[in-house]
Amino acid sequence: AAGVIQSPRHLIKEKRETATLKCYPIPRHDTVYWYQQGPGQDPQFLISFYEKMQSDKGSIPDRFSAQQFSDYHSELNMSSLELGDSALYFCASSYDRDPRSVWGAEFNEQFFGPGTRLTVL
Amino acid sequence: KQEVTQIPAALSVPEGENLVLNCSFTDSAIYNLQWFRQDPGKGLTSLLLIQSSQREQTSGRLNASLDKSSGRSTLYIAASQPGDSATYLCAVKGGNSGYALNFGKGTSLLVTP
Repeated sequence: AAGVIQSPRHLIKEKRETATLKCYPIPRHDTVYWYQQGPGQDPQFLISFYEKMQSDKGSIPDRFSAQQFSDYHSELNMSSLELGDSALYFCASSYDRDPRSVWGAEFNEQFFGPGTRLTVL
Repeated sequence: KQEVTQIPAALSVPEGENLVLNCSFTDSAIYNLQWFRQDPGKGLTSLLLIQSSQREQTSGRLNASLDKSSGRSTLYIAASQPGDSATYLCAVKGGNSGYALNFGKGTSLLVTP
């Protein structure tokens, strides 16, 4: 079965550089979530998109932005990178229908990609 | 804000033992709860999903229960094996956290031969 694809798998950047992470959700999934997991930390929600529109916003820094494209893939753009941005970045997808309605929310499992390990030097 | 707590933070058991991992959450208005496994530096593997209307789910040697009213879930692992060594994360969907998952800090499990 198709899974969530993330690229690149590893990325090394210098401070103040920019980075773009890509996520390709499972076909027919309409919602994409981005999470950040720092060293020794639990994953923290950054942002989500439903049908190419931002649906929820978590602890995403202003230096980061994201979007979902017409083919449903999503990109997380990170600028002015800091040492503290070094983390595993996960993308997850689900078939949430309308995430603003209760219907479907109970049943929908989020499927996670393998993650992108970002190291900022 | 939904707070998810996992106890214990770390656990070491000899092979063959049955064990229980605990997860609690502060807001019981959840849609569902997922248990994940994570090996060091690796991705998240979904183990079980329990819908808010369900009491338990089983998969092989794993059994997860949910008591939504008291804000608790347990993951029961039967006949533990060294290959079960990993970090186990509990994540809830809902309860003032929208549709994103709110994770606990995990239980680090070591099963010794």
